[in-house]
Amino acid sequence: EAAVTQSPRNKVAVTGGKVTLSCNQTNNHNNMYWYRQDTGHGLRLIHYSYGAGSTEKGDIPDGYKASRPSQENFSLILELATPSQTSVYFCASGDARTGGSSAETLYFGSGTRLTVL
Amino acid sequence: GDSVTQTEGLVTLTEGLPVMLNCTYQSTYSPFLFWYVQHLNEAPKLLLKSFTDNKRPEHQGFHATLHKSSSSFHLQKSSAQLSDSALYYCALSDGGTGSKLSFGKGAKLTVSP
Repeated sequence: EAAVTQSPRNKVAVTGGKVTLSCNQTNNHNNMYWYRQDTGHGLRLIHYSYGAGSTEKGDIPDGYKASRPSQENFSLILELATPSQTSVYFCASGDARTGGSSAETLYFGSGTRLTVL
Repeated sequence: GDSVTQTEGLVTLTEGLPVMLNCTYQSTYSPFLFWYVQHLNEAPKLLLKSFTDNKRPEHQGFHATLHKSSSSFHLQKSSAQLSDSALYYCALSDGGTGSKLSFGKGAKLTVSP
C-alpha cells in the first residue's frame, strides 16, 4: 500500500519563526500535494508538485513556500510563521502516471499538527 | 471556478438507520467526483470515486451516483454502523485542467447505539 510519511507529527513554533514540514513518499508517485485542514473549511490546497524540481501554487499559497528536491520528498516552508497558520497539515501523493490525471487517487500522510504561538 | 458544496456539517444517526450525505458541485468541464473518509486521528483515504460510464461505485456498503443533470454525487448507505463515525469529504477533480482536487467543507457523521 501507498506510504506517505510526514514529520514532525506535532510542532510548536513562535510567531515570526521559520517552520519546515517534511513529507516523504515511497510510491514513486509524480504528484505531491500540501493541504491544511481547518474546521469549517475542510481541506484546502496550499502547494503542489508534478515532479522533482517543480512546485505550483494552490488555492491558498500566501505565507507558504514549497520545495520538491526529489521524487520522494516535498517540503512546506513557513518563512515567518503567524498564529493564523495554526492548523493540521496533510501531505499527499497521487498515482497519476503523467502530470495530472483527473481520476487519480490521493494517498495522505498522517498529518502534522502545527501550533504557532 | 470549481466548487463543491456539502450542506451538512454535523450528522448524528442511530445505528441501523440509512445514511445520506449530500454533495453538489459546480464545474465548467465534466469532472470526476470523489468521497474521502477520515476516521478520528487518521489520514483521509479514498472511499469512492465516480466512473466515466454509468456504473455506480460501491465500497464498504457505501455507494454514490453521479447525476450530471443535478450536479450531485450524494453518498448513501442503507444501514449505518458505529464504525462509520468519521469525517466525510466530497471532492471534485476538474476534467479540463488536471488533477487538483477541490474539497468540500466536510460532514462529520456520528453513529450512536
